[in-house]
Amino acid sequence: GNSVTQMEGPVTLSEEAFLTINCTYTATGYPSLFWYVQYPGEGLQLLLKATKADDKGSNKGFEATYRKETTSFHLEKGSVQVSDSAVYFCALSDSGYSTLTFGKGTMLLVSP
Amino acid sequence: DGGITQSPKYLFRKEGQNVTLSCEQNLNHDAMYWYRQDPGQGLRLIYYSQIVNDFQKGDIAEGYSVSREKKESFPLTVTSAQKNPTAFYLCASSVSTGTNEKLFFGSGTQLSVL
Repeated sequence: GNSVTQMEGPVTLSEEAFLTINCTYTATGYPSLFWYVQYPGEGLQLLLKATKADDKGSNKGFEATYRKETTSFHLEKGSVQVSDSAVYFCALSDSGYSTLTFGKGTMLLVSP
Repeated sequence: DGGITQSPKYLFRKEGQNVTLSCEQNLNHDAMYWYRQDPGQGLRLIYYSQIVNDFQKGDIAEGYSVSREKKESFPLTVTSAQKNPTAFYLCASSVSTGTNEKLFFGSGTQLSVL
């Protein structure tokens, strides 16, 4: 079956530091890959996505590249802000259905 | 503004009681979903519906029931058969269930057992 593995958190950074959150996946087909973000007390919002190998998704300074050879979709940002503090979820969608498989989430805490 | 509305934000259940969580969307989306979120466990799919009057079980449907009588509404009932109902419940919708469809989420309902 499909699965998504994320690095455990919390990830604690100072403002303007470089961020990487690792995500690897297992899928039977050719999945689409997503990063969602959840701010405290809220639902999830789509941050970025990539639909095929070597695609790069980007939004709000965050980037992730679909690496089929390593089955990875790591999230990166060059300079984090306090307002980036949230829980980040990696997810995949496979087989033509939007019933996403989510990772367990990684909490990011950014201090001033 | 279009979006998904979940209510209530907090809900308490007594032993042996059924409770219903509301989810309404005005995005004109065909597909709707219910997820359960437990600390450190990510999101798990309970039920989803691709169209009115039709729904499918997700990964953890036992102890839950749903209905889809209207396009805008997808209520979730947590029955007394669900022995560990304490969790954060998230409703979502999308235009369809295509692979690349973006999901829009509500702000969630926290259910706790008294």
